[in-house]
Amino acid sequence: ILNVEQSPQSLHVQEGDSTNFTCSFPSSNFYALHWYRWETAKSPEALFVMTLNGDEKKKGQISATLNTKEGYSYLYIKGSQPEDSATYLCAHIKAAGNKLTFGGGTRVLVKP
Amino acid sequence: EAQVTQNPRYLITVTGKKLTVTCSQNMNHEYMSWYRQDPGLGLRQIYYSMNVEVTDKGDVPEGYKVSRKEKRNFPLILESPSPNQTSLYFCASSFRWTTQGEQYFGPGTRLTVT
Repeated sequence: ILNVEQSPQSLHVQEGDSTNFTCSFPSSNFYALHWYRWETAKSPEALFVMTLNGDEKKKGQISATLNTKEGYSYLYIKGSQPEDSATYLCAHIKAAGNKLTFGGGTRVLVKP
Repeated sequence: EAQVTQNPRYLITVTGKKLTVTCSQNMNHEYMSWYRQDPGLGLRQIYYSMNVEVTDKGDVPEGYKVSRKEKRNFPLILESPSPNQTSLYFCASSFRWTTQGEQYFGPGTRLTVT
């Protein structure tokens, strides 16, 4: 059982629409949260590293927020494009730890 | 070009035949790690290394060995592979050993054990 949960597992988005999805992690033990983008037949690529409660990060039309007190992070895609189709992974690092625990991912399919 | 390389990319082998998957990075990163990816189970960490001669178990270390004799290399060794080790394997590296740094992933190695 993954203690880092991502929801939904998959979603279909119409081109131009915005969407968001969630990564939940244990709030009692937090050091950092990573977001990765994983396209089919490629390797995961880092989007964000988040460490502080209230962090907001942005890269192009993709942004993320972090709430360490309640144990969740949101990833937002504004104005989705077909090239945003990918699986988005989050990874949690426990306090003072060196291990990463990944969630199962949210698979996003943007339809033209 | 800054990159993480893995070899081989594809491997089909038989139960019990020892194999090594190599991983090398040219970014002078301290932190290196191995993951396996299985459907429905996400990416799971096998072993990681914070620096030369410093390695530790991840969440699924059974059946695997690693070594870190040089900063750039972090090979994954399967002494006696079994069919349940059939998986997609990724090596990754990070500049900061504290893991606050983002991970750079290799291209993956698809292993089939028959």
